[in-house]
Amino acid sequence: DGGITQSPKYLFRKEGQNVTLSCEQNLNHDAMYWYRQDPGQGLRLIYYSQIVNDFQKGDIAEGYSVSREKKESFPLTVTSAQKNPTAFYLCASSQRGDLDTQYFGPGTRLTVL
Amino acid sequence: AQSVTQLDSQVPVFEEAPVELRCNYSSSVSVYLFWYVQYPNQGLQLLLKYLSGSTLVKGINGFEAEFNKSQTSFHLRKPSVHISDTAEYFCAVTRGGYQKVTFGTGTKLQVIP
Repeated sequence: DGGITQSPKYLFRKEGQNVTLSCEQNLNHDAMYWYRQDPGQGLRLIYYSQIVNDFQKGDIAEGYSVSREKKESFPLTVTSAQKNPTAFYLCASSQRGDLDTQYFGPGTRLTVL
Repeated sequence: AQSVTQLDSQVPVFEEAPVELRCNYSSSVSVYLFWYVQYPNQGLQLLLKYLSGSTLVKGINGFEAEFNKSQTSFHLRKPSVHISDTAEYFCAVTRGGYQKVTFGTGTKLQVIP
């Protein structure tokens, strides 16, 4: 089955530690996205990538970093510079010609203790 | 710039009753409009989308939405809700071409038995 996988489902880290969230897709989509979801705030765009080896900052990129070395993978690193990292993180992908419909992964809930 | 406003953060409704979830958008150019549904601790799933053509769009699970350009609205409706429709619903807008997708803050639909 084609889709997007995110791992792990739940992640706990101590304050001050960097952590990397995985996102893999086998839909052959060119574009991939990372969103952060907090209660009552909807989805906010962190980073997005339209093509391999290229990515752009979204609305809340500070304290985060990404890489896009392969078409199917778009990992997100939450660094110690992110002041409030506890949140639900969603990865998505889309393909040109599909009206920019976004296909979402199941999400990773990060809790920083 | 584009924006999306979901006027209701929570909507309780009795089972088998009709429901309307409201969405208004703002954009200086033509846009694509989407409704997504999110079940607890899961990613988002596309319900329906509008690009052009008929202003009444039908989606999955018996939902439909009507695009009203003069009122810049894209309200979601279902004539008879089921317990399984309990979820959070997000309205989204984009200009297309891998441009940024802006999501609303979400509306939690609670279906009461």
